Amino acid sequence: DQQVKQNSPSLSVQEGRISILNCDYTNSMFDYFLWYKKYPAEGPTFLISISSIKDKNEDGRFTVFLNKSAKHLSLHIVPSQPGDSAVYFCAPKKPGTYKYIFGTGTRLKVLA
Amino acid sequence: DTGVSQDPRHKITKRGQNVTFRCDPISEHNRLYWYRQTLGQGPEFLTYFQNEAQLEKSRLLSDRFSAERPKGSFSTLEIQRTEQGDSAMYLCASSVEQGAGTDTQYFGPGTRLTVL
Repeated sequence: DQQVKQNSPSLSVQEGRISILNCDYTNSMFDYFLWYKKYPAEGPTFLISISSIKDKNEDGRFTVFLNKSAKHLSLHIVPSQPGDSAVYFCAPKKPGTYKYIFGTGTRLKVLA
Repeated sequence: DTGVSQDPRHKITKRGQNVTFRCDPISEHNRLYWYRQTLGQGPEFLTYFQNEAQLEKSRLLSDRFSAERPKGSFSTLEIQRTEQGDSAMYLCASSVEQGAGTDTQYFGPGTRLTVL
C-alpha cells in the first residue's frame, strides 16, 4: 500500500542552485503535509508544513508547493547549501487520524 | 530539556528474547508516537498516545508488540519473542496539538534493534 511516493531516491545539486524534491500521493483525503529531513544517526527533524487549504508555504530558503488536483507536493530549497545534504521525507496525514504516512525519502547531496 | 530521548540507542538480542525500549518526550508534550524504520524506507507508524491513552494502533503491529505510557510522560515499547524481521530502528516522537488536529512531531534519535 504505497500511498506516498518519492520517486527520486537521490538528487545531487550544486551549492547555490535550487533543489526540488517531489512527493506524490494517492489519497485525496490527506489534509496536512509535513516535510522532514534526516541526518545519519539522528531522528527526523521537522522542516516545513502545509495545510490542504493552501497551495504554498514559505519559510526562509524552504518553500513547499501543494497541487491537490495532481496529488503532488514539492519542496524547493534555494539557495542550496552543503548542510542541506540529508534524506528528505514527505509525510501527509488523514483527517480524523493521528497517523502520518511517510514516503520512502529522497537523499539530497549538495555539492560544494 | 533538550528534546526527545530514547534508551537504549542500540540493542542486540537473540531471536526469541523480549526487549523493552524507553522514550522520554519533551516535557510539555502530551502526544507521543512510536514508529519503526527499516533500511531504505520512511518511518512507519506503530502507535499513538494522547496523555496516557493509546488512541491509535497500526494493524501492522502484531500482538507481540505492546506500548504503554502509564503516567502520560515516558513511554515504553516492548517486543516479545523477537524475530529477525523485527530488526529496525524504532523511533519515538512527541508533540502538542497546534489546532485543527495538526501537530509538529519532534523525533528522538531512535533505538536500533538487531535480532540475531
